[in-house]
Amino acid sequence: ETGVTQTPRHLVMGMTNKKSLKCEQHLGHNAMYWYKQSAKKPLELMFVYSLEERVENNSVPSRFSPECPNSSHLFLHLHTLQPEDSALYLCASSQASGNTIYFGEGSWLTVV
Amino acid sequence: GQNIDQPTEMTATEGAIVQINCTYQTSGFNGLFWYQQHAGEAPTFLSYNVLDGLEEKGRFSSFLSRSKGYSYLLLKELQMKDSASYLCAVRRDSNYQLIWGAGTKLIIKP
Repeated sequence: ETGVTQTPRHLVMGMTNKKSLKCEQHLGHNAMYWYKQSAKKPLELMFVYSLEERVENNSVPSRFSPECPNSSHLFLHLHTLQPEDSALYLCASSQASGNTIYFGEGSWLTVV
Repeated sequence: GQNIDQPTEMTATEGAIVQINCTYQTSGFNGLFWYQQHAGEAPTFLSYNVLDGLEEKGRFSSFLSRSKGYSYLLLKELQMKDSASYLCAVRRDSNYQLIWGAGTKLIIKP
């Protein structure tokens, strides 16, 4: 139990589907992140929210849409994905000015 | 550009010592992290170095040389459960933007 919970753990979706990944943190942190992890590649930071405001502007395709309704919850809305988007999507949280990022178990996404 | 290099895979024997190296070239430096990730699980925090030198934490130690852009993670008295990927990450000036290495897969053999 890492204090960061992600659902679903596994998701298979077609290229025309709309789905969402959910993340909840129970650590009282102020910052939340979405990372993409592909095999044998470095973690890619997708989105960062601090105090519910988006603070990092990485170049991510618009078919990925984040939502942060409060400091404990983070969503990643998925729409018309491509097969190359298949990966492990990791949610993480930290204190806004803290050193350590805590990760969730991840959501394995397969786009068919 | 930003670059972090670490070996793709290493093999070691149970009970032995292994050193996993990480070299980095980044614009700005504000600390280096090591994480452990077992297959199918979340990465978990191991260590953080911001000053030069060795930080020891039980069987694991982490070393940093900022002038050389170099760090290593030292694992002693290896156990089978240490089989995992070890991720090196550098924090630049921003509190949020970590640059990650691709990870080193460590295989422990009996």
